[in-house]
Amino acid sequence: GEDVEQSLFLSVREGDSSVINCTYTDSSSTYLYWYKQEPGAGLQLLTYIFSNMDMKQDQRLTVLLNKKDKHLSLRIADTQTGDSAIYFCAEKAGGYNKLIFGAGTRLAVHP
Amino acid sequence: EAGVAQSPRYKIIEKRQSVAFWCNPISGHATLYWYQQILGQGPKLLIQFQNNGVVDDSQLPKDRFSAERLKGVDSTLKIQPAKLEDSAVYLCASSLGTGGTDTQYFGPGTRLTVL
Repeated sequence: GEDVEQSLFLSVREGDSSVINCTYTDSSSTYLYWYKQEPGAGLQLLTYIFSNMDMKQDQRLTVLLNKKDKHLSLRIADTQTGDSAIYFCAEKAGGYNKLIFGAGTRLAVHP
Repeated sequence: EAGVAQSPRYKIIEKRQSVAFWCNPISGHATLYWYQQILGQGPKLLIQFQNNGVVDDSQLPKDRFSAERLKGVDSTLKIQPAKLEDSAVYLCASSLGTGGTDTQYFGPGTRLTVL
């Protein structure tokens, strides 16, 4: 079946790096995504990675994919207070762009 | 470019009442999604439209939930009758198509509270 799991909470100091981890079960997933949700707002796509890639970097964001272990991580360099939000990992399932989301990791950035 | 619009933003009803949510996707987006996000959980897909046809409604509780997208543009999601466990945020999203790189853009959601 399809399932995505994430740790629920992460607290970091401003300026440090944050690493948010995710595991998924569907080995046929072709795309994996990271979304950000701020209070009272919808989800915003941060980045995605295709399953034949190991790493993708986009400014302060680095995505690492270990397909063998079905493990995905999001690293945010130089974390700022504006990065405080809930981060969702999601996998594409099936042929119609259906997304399976994890429960989200709440990132708290403190001075 | 205007984003995905949803209304109302908040709704409070009593159990067994009916409620409807409205979504206007981004112009030109053929695919529209309705997700249910229960507090503390990730969004769960309820129904997906490709133009005005349904491509996935496997997780829609069809005894009480219904959705339509009559002209392939905006959409409504209805709950009748509502139960306490329907309290959640209902998110609408749209994308150009169903390819893996077709980004799903989300609206702000409608927060439903069932008393």
